[in-house]
Amino acid sequence: RKEVEQDPGPFNVPEGATVAFNCTYSNSASQSFFWYRQDCRKEPKLLMSVYSSGNEDGRFTAQLNRASQYISLLIRDSKLSDSATYLCVVNKPGTYKYIFGTGTRLKVLA
Amino acid sequence: GAVVSQHPSWVICKSGTSVKIECRSLDFQATTMFWYRQFPKQSLMLMATSNEGSKATYEQGVEKDKFLINHASLTLSTLTVTSAHPEDSSFYICSAYSLRREDAEQFFGPGTRLTVL
Repeated sequence: RKEVEQDPGPFNVPEGATVAFNCTYSNSASQSFFWYRQDCRKEPKLLMSVYSSGNEDGRFTAQLNRASQYISLLIRDSKLSDSATYLCVVNKPGTYKYIFGTGTRLKVLA
Repeated sequence: GAVVSQHPSWVICKSGTSVKIECRSLDFQATTMFWYRQFPKQSLMLMATSNEGSKATYEQGVEKDKFLINHASLTLSTLTVTSAHPEDSSFYICSAYSLRREDAEQFFGPGTRLTVL
């Protein structure tokens, strides 16, 4: 089993749609969780950290379910500019190292 | 967020040559820098962890004699790909992290695209 698993997509959605991504992680001892966005041929950029209580930043909502070991990202009112690959990131327990998922590709269509 | 730079942004070299990539944290002191590699359509894979003033630690399967890492100061880490071969062609990304920060966030450089002919 991969340490961090994501559906690679692509998810093709129309502008204005709501889309959700899930990510599962294998080690229950992980403590830090993030969603990163990566545009083609660019470095990943932090979208948001994910907290146990769930958190929201504008159109983006992240949730963490420790019992089931999954993280979700919800994007509301999708924009063309949201087209990118979304990377789920989990820390390696006991370290500050990141483990990246393979990413979920999103295409928002006009 | 903090700013991390990488140089060069891209490089093309002949097989057998060595290539040095620099990673700098511009506005904070990075106690730790990480080096990642990303092949097309794959995710970032951690290669090594670089701590200022000490030897780098390498992930399983990464050859330390091929990928030389030096972290001479709190703002600079270098990765040297020695005797590069076409299979080393990849996108190399560094990130910087500080234990002095409250969050666990790593700040990523813009990456270096290496093509070995």
